[in-house]
Amino acid sequence: GQQLNQSPQSMFIQEGEDVSMNCTSSSIFNTWLWYKQDPGEGPVLLIALYKAGELTSNGRLTAQFGITRKDSFLNISASIPSDVGIYFCAGQRYGGATNKLIFGTGTLLAVQP
Amino acid sequence: ETGVTQTPRHLVMGMTNKKSLKCEQHLGHNAMYWYKQSAKKPLELMFVYNFKEQTENNSVPSRFSPECPNSSHLFLHLHTLQPEDSALYLCASSQPGMMNTEAFFGQGTRLTVV
Repeated sequence: GQQLNQSPQSMFIQEGEDVSMNCTSSSIFNTWLWYKQDPGEGPVLLIALYKAGELTSNGRLTAQFGITRKDSFLNISASIPSDVGIYFCAGQRYGGATNKLIFGTGTLLAVQP
Repeated sequence: ETGVTQTPRHLVMGMTNKKSLKCEQHLGHNAMYWYKQSAKKPLELMFVYNFKEQTENNSVPSRFSPECPNSSHLFLHLHTLQPEDSALYLCASSQPGMMNTEAFFGQGTRLTVV
């Protein structure tokens, strides 16, 4: 199935550093979602974006819906050890009865105290 | 707590066994999904149910059989699985037909086929 290009694949940073990751697609989406997944758990929704150009924050997290509707980025400021996990972007198109999510390949984040 | 509950959390089964995974959501959603997450692979959509009707089967082998008796419950019946079917199976729900809607996931069932 279709996938989103998510980068970087992994990041190893020091506590306190800022982090940036992004997703790109060859086609447009109506919604961008960012999820975090801890080991052995299901993905948890962090931020949802609904309009091109929208910039939304959730605590230390900030995400933007690209103007072209083909990309999105997620920034984490002042990282802490509990930020460790896998971050997924997901794009959603409206069409038909269900709004199917297409997921990125994930960014593994490791934070060293 | 996301409002989507999956049981069991862990399951070990032999290749000749028959087992079922259960998903229940208390969010009032009418769309439910099964995803498979294998090691080092992205999330793979398996099935989509919309108002209890299956609307998508993403070329899933017949040894996986979904069932959606009502909009709040979703099952995945498993039989004669292979070791490569070992993975984290995730259930999600959303509200179909709405412009601004998010999907919420359960905690997953870690399946090991021996």
